[in-house]
Amino acid sequence: ETGVTQTPRHLVMGMTNKKSLKCEQHLGHNAMYWYKQSAKKPLELMFVYNFKEQTENNSVPSRFSPECPNSSHLFLHLHTLQPEDSALYLCASSPGTSGRLGTGELFFGEGSRLTVL
Amino acid sequence: GENVEQHPSTLSVQEGDSAVIKCTYSDSASNYFPWYKQELGKRPQLIIDIRSNVGEKKDQRIAVTLNKTAKHFSLHITETQPEDSAVYFCAASGSNDMRFGAGTRLTVKP
Repeated sequence: ETGVTQTPRHLVMGMTNKKSLKCEQHLGHNAMYWYKQSAKKPLELMFVYNFKEQTENNSVPSRFSPECPNSSHLFLHLHTLQPEDSALYLCASSPGTSGRLGTGELFFGEGSRLTVL
Repeated sequence: GENVEQHPSTLSVQEGDSAVIKCTYSDSASNYFPWYKQELGKRPQLIIDIRSNVGEKKDQRIAVTLNKTAKHFSLHITETQPEDSAVYFCAASGSNDMRFGAGTRLTVKP
């Protein structure tokens, strides 16, 4: 148990569905991240929240909508996805982001395996 | 933004041999360089990291070197064991985010 929990672990959805991925961290961290992991590609940074404020939106299509109600919870709302969005979505947290220290170690959840039909 | 390139994409070594994975980065403002190991079906986990004020760091069989001038850093694993088989990711972090390389699939043959 690393303190970062993601649900659901597996999700199958049609292109017209609306679903949400949830991430919760129990580490007292102030920064949370969404990454997309596809086969044979780098971990792609999607969103960064630092102290509940979104500090990074890496040109992600609007069919992905993040929500960070507090420093412990992060959601990724999914709407009208495409088959190419099928991937493992990893949530991570870190103590915070700082210009001098960088992000520090990221602690990852187990991921949510998404399949879009 | 930051761009991290990692080589090789696959690496196969005999048990007991050494393995070296290399990464380059583009943003001179990056100051934190971690390495993550991801076993099949599991989450990435930090194995070693280095900050920009240090040139080399070692932890038992694992070492990392950093050349800030050339903007490259490397992971060295000595006396490899079958349990070292996994995908290894390098990353570079500046102020707000962390960017990853494409990963190296390391296979250690017994």
